[in-house]
Amino acid sequence: GAVVSQHPSRVICKSGTSVKIECRSLDFQATTMFWYRQFPKKSLMLMATSNEGSKATYEQGVEKDKFLINHASLTLSTLTVTSAHPEDSSFYICSATSGGITSTDTQYFGPGTRLTVL
Amino acid sequence: AQSVTQPDIHITVSEGASLELRCNYSYGATPYLFWYVQSPGQGLQLLLKYFSGDTLVQGIKGFEAEFKRSQSSFNLRKPSVHWSDAAEYFCAVGGMDSSYKLIFGSGTRLLVRP
Repeated sequence: GAVVSQHPSRVICKSGTSVKIECRSLDFQATTMFWYRQFPKKSLMLMATSNEGSKATYEQGVEKDKFLINHASLTLSTLTVTSAHPEDSSFYICSATSGGITSTDTQYFGPGTRLTVL
Repeated sequence: AQSVTQPDIHITVSEGASLELRCNYSYGATPYLFWYVQSPGQGLQLLLKYFSGDTLVQGIKGFEAEFKRSQSSFNLRKPSVHWSDAAEYFCAVGGMDSSYKLIFGSGTRLLVRP
């Protein structure tokens, strides 16, 4: 099946620094990628949707200037947490699909990145 | 408002026993329904999905789910649980207008007794 990878799997950073998380589709072209945030014992919360070559669409309440998303190619999307603070500590998960937003193609998930901000 | 409820935070079953994980949804349009499993260190894996047609859906790893519109439910079942099924299970709903904008339930952690 389709594989989505994330790098790094874990990152620890100091408050005020920026952290970049990569999401790659390894064996298919991902026209649409999604970024989720998962709190402990909580559900996945969609942060934003990105289509290759266009600006990301952010969910209500998600700061687009804090969570910068770039989907520069059909196999790579990046999430940059800018000026990270301890409250940004979380598990970030990406997913990808080769279909569009209304496609019935399956969404494939990455293994997640654990961000800890000290 | 659109929502997904998984009323059981965790469930413990004995290996070989049957399993049912509950999922109820609230969605204004025709829902697309999904069950995902999350194991430590691995991404969410799709077990099965319902878009239309037969309301009993067969998935991978011996799982099945039944869509009951009258009860707004999409419960996941397995007749005989294996120790390797221990994981976190998420129910999710999407819609015809934006099926990949998924709304997830809070998850049910399955523990399997030897």
